[in-house]
Amino acid sequence: GQSLEQPSEVTAVEGAIVQINCTYQTSGFYGLSWYQQHDGGAPTFLSYNALDGLEETGRFSSFLSRSDSYGYLLLQELQMKDSASYFCAVSITGGGNKLTFGTGTQLKVEL
Amino acid sequence: EPEVTQTPSHQVTQMGQEVILRCVPISNHLYFYWYRQILGQKVEFLVSFYNNEISEKSEIFDDQFSVERPDGSNFTLKIRSTKLEDSAMYFCASSKIQGGSKNIQYFGAGTRLSVL
Repeated sequence: GQSLEQPSEVTAVEGAIVQINCTYQTSGFYGLSWYQQHDGGAPTFLSYNALDGLEETGRFSSFLSRSDSYGYLLLQELQMKDSASYFCAVSITGGGNKLTFGTGTQLKVEL
Repeated sequence: EPEVTQTPSHQVTQMGQEVILRCVPISNHLYFYWYRQILGQKVEFLVSFYNNEISEKSEIFDDQFSVERPDGSNFTLKIRSTKLEDSAMYFCASSKIQGGSKNIQYFGAGTRLSVL
C-alpha cells in the first residue's frame, strides 16, 4: 500500500512564504500531485511532479526528490484566501490512475 | 470553464436504503473516479472507470457499491444498502488522459451523504 505524511496544521502571516512537506512510502511511484480544498469543497489541482526538481506555477511551486521520497508545496505572497487544506497525493505505475491522498495540512493565514 | 457536476448536493437516507449519486464528468474526459471523504479525514479512493468498465477499486468498494455509465454523459455510484459508516462526502472526478504526465483529476463539488 501507500502512505503519505504531512503536518496537520501550519500557520503563517499574509505576505509570507510557507512550505508544506509531504513524505511518502510507496512502491511503483509515478508522480506526486498537490490539491487545495476549502472547507469540504472540491479538491482543486495545484501542481504535479514526476521528476526531481521544482515546478513553478504562479505563486505556487512544488518540489520533488524521488530518492528521498519527499516533496513540498511552496506558497509565496500568502493571501487570506489561501487558508485551506492542502493534500499531497501519489499516483503509481499500473495504479489505474488512482490518487492516494495524504492526511492533509490545514493552512491558516493570519493578518 | 468545463466542470464536473454532481447531484444531489446533499442526500439524506435511512440505513438499509439504496442511494444513487450522480455525476456528469467533463465531456471530453475518458477516465472517471469516485472518492469519498469522511468528515475531517483524508480523501479516499473508491473506484476508477474507463472504457465502460472498472479499472481499479479499493477495499472500501465492496459488493454494496456499483458504478455505471448509463449514457454518454452520466456516471453514477450506487450503494445498495447504506450503513451508518457510509456517511461521508462523495466526490466524482474525471481526467483526460491515463496516468503519468499530469494526471490532473478534476473534482466535482461533492454529494454529502447522511445515513440515519
